[in-house]
Amino acid sequence: AQSVAQPEDQVNVAEGNPLTVKCTYSVSGNPYLFWYVQYPNRGLQFLLKYITGDNLVKGSYGFEAEFNKSQTSFHLKKPSALVSDSALYFCAVRDVSGGSYIPTFGRGTSLIVHP
Amino acid sequence: DTGVSQNPRHKITKRGQNVTFRCDPISEHNRLYWYRQTLGQGPEFLTYFQNEAQLEKSRLLSDRFSAERPKGSFSTLEIQRTEQGDSAMYLCASTTDGGGAENGYTFGSGTRLTVV
Repeated sequence: AQSVAQPEDQVNVAEGNPLTVKCTYSVSGNPYLFWYVQYPNRGLQFLLKYITGDNLVKGSYGFEAEFNKSQTSFHLKKPSALVSDSALYFCAVRDVSGGSYIPTFGRGTSLIVHP
Repeated sequence: DTGVSQNPRHKITKRGQNVTFRCDPISEHNRLYWYRQTLGQGPEFLTYFQNEAQLEKSRLLSDRFSAERPKGSFSTLEIQRTEQGDSAMYLCASTTDGGGAENGYTFGSGTRLTVV
């Protein structure tokens, strides 16, 4: 079975400050990990993924995420937040050896960046 | 190509009526997925197609739900005898990879269904 947890419903950060949105996962094999962003009344937009290789993954809009196998985490980060980063963020995981081709999404974290 | 297109954007229907949604994926994408999203939740998988073949269905997909992808292009999701619990955003996504979601999905803007 595969699962993903986003422990924070909401993250508040001031513009210009670094931001972190947390994600932990559970798989029986090796994970493929993803981050998506959703703006109001829109579909999800792909930000970045971890498949293999470097633990630090860089994605769209200046976001990056660090894969930590020992802590089973894949936290999303950005060095300097913008007000326009305010949105819903979803982490997703797929167990490569689990037999399914369908990622499981977390419940989402609302990021609010204050001017 | 303008991405994944979903129609209609909004649908209000009376309980017991049937509704049908359409998804037009990115033309070269061979895999197409349907998800359902309710307020405060992440997307929940419903079903997916590789070309015209429906390869996997979630247990969430009751007998009232049916999906098709004739000729491996656009897809339709039909809900028969709608219930208030069907109210949600229905998302369609497509991908071009050969297996799994390694390249990430491209999502449409969704169809918001309200059952009154």
